[in-house]
Amino acid sequence: AQKITQTQPGMFVQEKEAVTLDCTYDTSDQSYGLFWYKQPSSGEMIFLIYQGSYDEQNATEGRYSLNFQKARKSANLVISASQLGDSAMYFCAMRGAPSYNQGGKLIFGQGTELSVKP
Amino acid sequence: DGGITQSPKYLFRKEGQNVTLSCEQNLNHDAMYWYRQDPGQGLRLIYYSQIVNDFQKGDIAEGYSVSREKKESFPLTVTSAQKNPTAFYLCASRRTGTDYGYTFGSGTRLTVV
Repeated sequence: AQKITQTQPGMFVQEKEAVTLDCTYDTSDQSYGLFWYKQPSSGEMIFLIYQGSYDEQNATEGRYSLNFQKARKSANLVISASQLGDSAMYFCAMRGAPSYNQGGKLIFGQGTELSVKP
Repeated sequence: DGGITQSPKYLFRKEGQNVTLSCEQNLNHDAMYWYRQDPGQGLRLIYYSQIVNDFQKGDIAEGYSVSREKKESFPLTVTSAQKNPTAFYLCASRRTGTDYGYTFGSGTRLTVV
């Protein structure tokens, strides 16, 4: 069975500092995708970054980067130069191998609540 | 602009009543999904549909029903059999054949009174 684990329920970071949010996953699929989403208090899910299992380089999107360690099955999100607007819930998610039975569904972790302090 | 519209934003239900949450997309996406989120928790999959007139149960389908009569629409009915329906419900869609590209709606917050 596929599973996503986020072990940090809450984290604090000082404005302008970098922060790493942890994510480990479990799957027997060879082909899979890993996602990070941001959920502010309004509830919308904002896509941040994607990493495919066959991508050799770590994904980057502006201030976001994904530290992908395939052998360790980890996909940590790094936010550089934190801003006050980064305060939100952050979810790691995984999509399994494309198949009709899988349906392209996303499996989510429990989330990490990030608070950025001025 | 293309996107997903969920309505209503807030919904109150009396115990024993069925309620239907609306999800409409104009992205021409084939697959649609319903997720439930409880406070401080991650999202759990209720139902999903990859083509019109076909849908599959997710991890927590008991007490819920769906239909997919049109590509654009994927309504979720919370039945009286759902014992603890108070939660935040999110609808999502995805164009099949893509590795990513999920789009989420803004959610419906359902409260049982």
